[in-house]
Amino acid sequence: DTEVTQTPKHLVMGMTNKKSLKCEQHMGHRAMYWYKQKAKKPPELMFVYSYEKLSINESVPSRFSPECPNSSLLNLHLHALQPEDSALYLCASSRGESYEQYFGPGTRLTVT
Amino acid sequence: KQEVTQIPAALSVPEGENLVLNCSFTDSAIYNLQWFRQDPGKGLTSLLLIQSSQREQTSGRLNASLDKSSGRSTLYIAASQPGDSATYLCAVEGQNFVFGPGTRLSVLP
Repeated sequence: DTEVTQTPKHLVMGMTNKKSLKCEQHMGHRAMYWYKQKAKKPPELMFVYSYEKLSINESVPSRFSPECPNSSLLNLHLHALQPEDSALYLCASSRGESYEQYFGPGTRLTVT
Repeated sequence: KQEVTQIPAALSVPEGENLVLNCSFTDSAIYNLQWFRQDPGKGLTSLLLIQSSQREQTSGRLNASLDKSSGRSTLYIAASQPGDSATYLCAVEGQNFVFGPGTRLSVLP
């Protein structure tokens, strides 16, 4: 299984809602990543988890809260988002940091 | 701060042509460089990863080279096909992971 799955595919939420994005991999990878991608722009790294511990936080606002409950699962909890947070949120995993990254299909988030 | 650029921004070629995509980075202290393709509205597909100690990697019709000292990588696509149409992104891993803006490739039948 060389797949990274992400749910939901699409999410529309209001600015006062709380929602979560989910990412899962069963490749035994020990590093997992969240990226944000705006239209016609490259992905921007948000968070990196290595061995279930947060190793990189690229100065992301606290309304985005990552969680890594186990080595296969990565969540991104969303609260009080702004319309400018609307984007494609991509998850990736790798054997470890500095190894090849495999990406999921993304969650298209719209904040109204 | 690492900056990554890609030239050209867009490219349109007839089917069967060989082509070269370029990626440049400002900080040569990198662990690796990875090439991806992205279809519209989709996630990224990894094409090739070159470790900093390597000069070249090949996969099928794709060949990527790395010249760390000059801050350059090239992706060579042989005998292009319409199915190669996508945006091609390079990403550099050093202190952090930085993507270039991408090259949008159209291969015309």
